[in-house]
Amino acid sequence: GDSVTQMEGPVTLSEEAFLTINCTYTATGYPSLFWYVQYPGEGLQLLLKATKADDKGSNKGFEATYRKETTSFHLEKGSVQVSDSAVYFCALSDPGDYGQNFVFGPGTRLSVLP
Amino acid sequence: AAGVIQSPRHLIKEKRETATLKCYPIPRHDTVYWYQQGPGQDPQFLISFYEKMQSDKGSIPDRFSAQQFSDYHSELNMSSLELGDSALYFCASSASGIGEQFFGPGTRLTVL
Repeated sequence: GDSVTQMEGPVTLSEEAFLTINCTYTATGYPSLFWYVQYPGEGLQLLLKATKADDKGSNKGFEATYRKETTSFHLEKGSVQVSDSAVYFCALSDPGDYGQNFVFGPGTRLSVLP
Repeated sequence: AAGVIQSPRHLIKEKRETATLKCYPIPRHDTVYWYQQGPGQDPQFLISFYEKMQSDKGSIPDRFSAQQFSDYHSELNMSSLELGDSALYFCASSASGIGEQFFGPGTRLTVL
């Protein structure tokens, strides 16, 4: 079945450092790819998405490019802030069929120190 | 903009009790999904409904059941609660065929 793998956390960075969180996937079809962020005590918020190969999703300084050849969707940010501290989930869904559920990666906890 | 509403936000139950969680999707969304997120875990898909019919089933225990009503809201019924059922339960909704799911704030269930 479909699966998502993320780099193990926790990741601890200093403010203004460069962030990369690796995400690779396995899917039988052509999934849409997502990054969700979960702040402490809160629900899941969509950070960015890409629906086809070579698409780049971007939001709030975060970027990720859908790489079909490497089945990857790595999350990057050039300069992190303390407020970016959260858990980040990579996810995929197979569009086209009604009710297709998300498959989430295990999540990567990011801590940004001032 | 209207978001997914879940109620209650917090629920405390004892072992062997029952619980009902409610989810109100974004207006005009016809598909609802339920996920369970244990402490420090990623969300695990439980079940989904499209147009009031079950559309997909994941790792939902037999003690749990769910349905979607004519107004598209959904309820997750949990019986014979166990300590291991303590988790954050998310509901998400989508408009059919679009794929993007919008998540509610979750219901935190604690089983004592």
